[in-house]
Amino acid sequence: NAGVTQTPKFRVLKTGQSMTLLCAQDMNHEYMYWYRQDPGMGLRLIHYSVGEGTTAKGEVPDGYNVSRLKKQNFLLGLESAAPSQTSVYFCASSHGTSGKLFFGSGTQLSVL
Amino acid sequence: KQEVTQIPAALSVPEGENLVLNCSFTDSAIYNLQWFRQDPGKGLTSLLLIQSSQREQTSGRLNASLDKSSGRSTLYIAASQPGDSATYLCAVRPGNQGGKLIFGQGTELSVKP
Repeated sequence: NAGVTQTPKFRVLKTGQSMTLLCAQDMNHEYMYWYRQDPGMGLRLIHYSVGEGTTAKGEVPDGYNVSRLKKQNFLLGLESAAPSQTSVYFCASSHGTSGKLFFGSGTQLSVL
Repeated sequence: KQEVTQIPAALSVPEGENLVLNCSFTDSAIYNLQWFRQDPGKGLTSLLLIQSSQREQTSGRLNASLDKSSGRSTLYIAASQPGDSATYLCAVRPGNQGGKLIFGQGTELSVKP
């Protein structure tokens, strides 16, 4: 009954620090996504993956890297965090292009 | 470039009213459209998914319609309840862009007892 699980739920970083956000899904979905949500900007796609070992850029990929080494996991990395990356990050997954999107509960990230 | 717009940005209604939320998109070449609900501080929950070949989908008190030619979708909520208070977002999957979904900014709904 887990669905999409994101870790951590909250994190505070200093400018220049690095971190990795982990997303795990147990629904055997091919597609996985990373979004960020900011007031007044809505949800914006950072990167997405259509299958194990593949990734693609979304609307706002700069400053982020991703990896999909296993089908069930999608990692989002920040190599050198900046205050502009303060946001709520959501992971989602779907069964191909025809299926519903299932979202994780989000990660609140603050970069000081 | 596909753009998704939701009007109004906020809506307040008394309990029991039937209401309609609107979503418009600029490019009719879509694969499907989804409506989501987001409660404060939470993730998004998918409410209804309409494939491009469908006209509407229903789930309980919710009914979503899709008119691709006019670039519009509506979410109808019957007999609204305070528990329906949340932000409602629509998202389209463009037909030629693989995995991407484009989201509207959402309508914040408040249902007063």
